[in-house]
Amino acid sequence: EVQLVESGGGLVQPGGSLRLSCAASGFTFSSYDMHWVRQATGKGLEWVSVIGTTGDTYYQGSVKGRFTISRENAKNSLYLQMNSLRAGDTAVYYCTRKGVGATDYGMDVWGQGTTVTVSS
Amino acid sequence: QSIVTQPPSASGTPGQRVTISCSGSSSNIGSNSVYWYQQVPGTAPKLLIYRNNQRPSGVPDRFSGSKSGTSASLAISGLRSEDEADYHCATWDDSLSAWVFGGGTKLTVL
Repeated sequence: EVQLVESGGGLVQPGGSLRLSCAASGFTFSSYDMHWVRQATGKGLEWVSVIGTTGDTYYQGSVKGRFTISRENAKNSLYLQMNSLRAGDTAVYYCTRKGVGATDYGMDVWGQGTTVTVSS
Repeated sequence: QSIVTQPPSASGTPGQRVTISCSGSSSNIGSNSVYWYQQVPGTAPKLLIYRNNQRPSGVPDRFSGSKSGTSASLAISGLRSEDEADYHCATWDDSLSAWVFGGGTKLTVL
């Protein structure tokens, strides 16, 4: 079964750090771009970051310089290191995969999400 | 405020056809594919349409996508109560070098 499972969320104080993980199974992890997308309560989806199959990375403007996305293909794992956290980063964080080129079928598999709360 | 805009709400009665728009610019929708996602509150998003108008297997043909210029649309025909959900469009923006989502549209089946 194709699956993504996030972990690592929790309550953190403003200015603190947190590392999210996403464990992938049931597919060839290294062949997919991997994304983080977040959603604050009652708000729409907000794209956070992507890491490509070759390791290239892109970030949404408000997290650039604070968040770092990485992947470990040997462990079928995706990570998001979040530093200098702000109240505005409070959200459910989803990891999702997206194929590339001819196998681009959109962000077709999503995890269940992990909740990050930034509050004092 | 997202650079790709959707109406915040839409509604229809069972059996009706409704459309949800997604408006952008030449740097995003105008030059890249559009994707649509359905999300029941409290659950993860589900892919509905990829590459503007392609349906993944398992998505009913009542759902269709289209794109023209800098705008895209999602149409739902034969509206059913289970279609009540939030709908999000997404695309890549060349100027930002970032993916952007529309603000989402809440569909109510009356």
